[in-house]
Amino acid sequence: QVQLQESGPGLVRPSQTLSLSCAVSGDSTKSGEHYWSWIRQPPGKGLEWMGYIYSSGNTYYNPSLKSRLTMSLEMSKNQFSLKLTSVTAADTAVYYCARGPTKWGLKNFDKWGQGTLVTVSS
Amino acid sequence: SYVLTQPPSVSVAPGQTARVTCGGDDIGSKSVHWYQQKPGQAPVLVVYDDSDRPSGIPDRFSGSNSGNTATLTISRVEAGDEADYYCQVWDSRNDNLVFGGGTELTVL
Repeated sequence: QVQLQESGPGLVRPSQTLSLSCAVSGDSTKSGEHYWSWIRQPPGKGLEWMGYIYSSGNTYYNPSLKSRLTMSLEMSKNQFSLKLTSVTAADTAVYYCARGPTKWGLKNFDKWGQGTLVTVSS
Repeated sequence: SYVLTQPPSVSVAPGQTARVTCGGDDIGSKSVHWYQQKPGQAPVLVVYDDSDRPSGIPDRFSGSNSGNTATLTISRVEAGDEADYYCQVWDSRNDNLVFGGGTELTVL
């Protein structure tokens, strides 16, 4: 059974860097079968795709976040991470990690973590 | 950038059929995926690639896609179907993955 679990600080100061990790169980981030993604959801609002990373380390980012976003893999721990720099209150959201797209090009997310709320505030 | 338009809300009586639409320019040429999100929970994929269902999703959930509109159809609606529903596509022109704004389904 595939499970994903986000972890990281729940409070980040404005202008600082938001860092989160996602631990994967029941699947391997180095299998190459899937990409691994981050999606966020501001309180009371809709979903926003942030980016995804492949086992090769190749990354694909939402153009609107590209200048501030870095995703990485930690294969030895079977987890992946994100760093979002220069955060503002607009970055306050529930952050989800998810499995997908597939390597065959099916660009959806079939497994999700439970999400973690990150608040940007001084 | 590519925009997906969903009605903010849809209401339906139990046992009836609910239809949630997702509008986009020539969306029929794209692969559409649908997610169900209940309050305080992560989204769940209910339909992928326009009309396929992941294992474990009831066959009451179906999808179609043509022209400028994709539709998620929920037959024999139950109280437990009350949730927000999001459509999603890949915008190949801008290399961006896009979600619709979401539709709140209310079971009367």
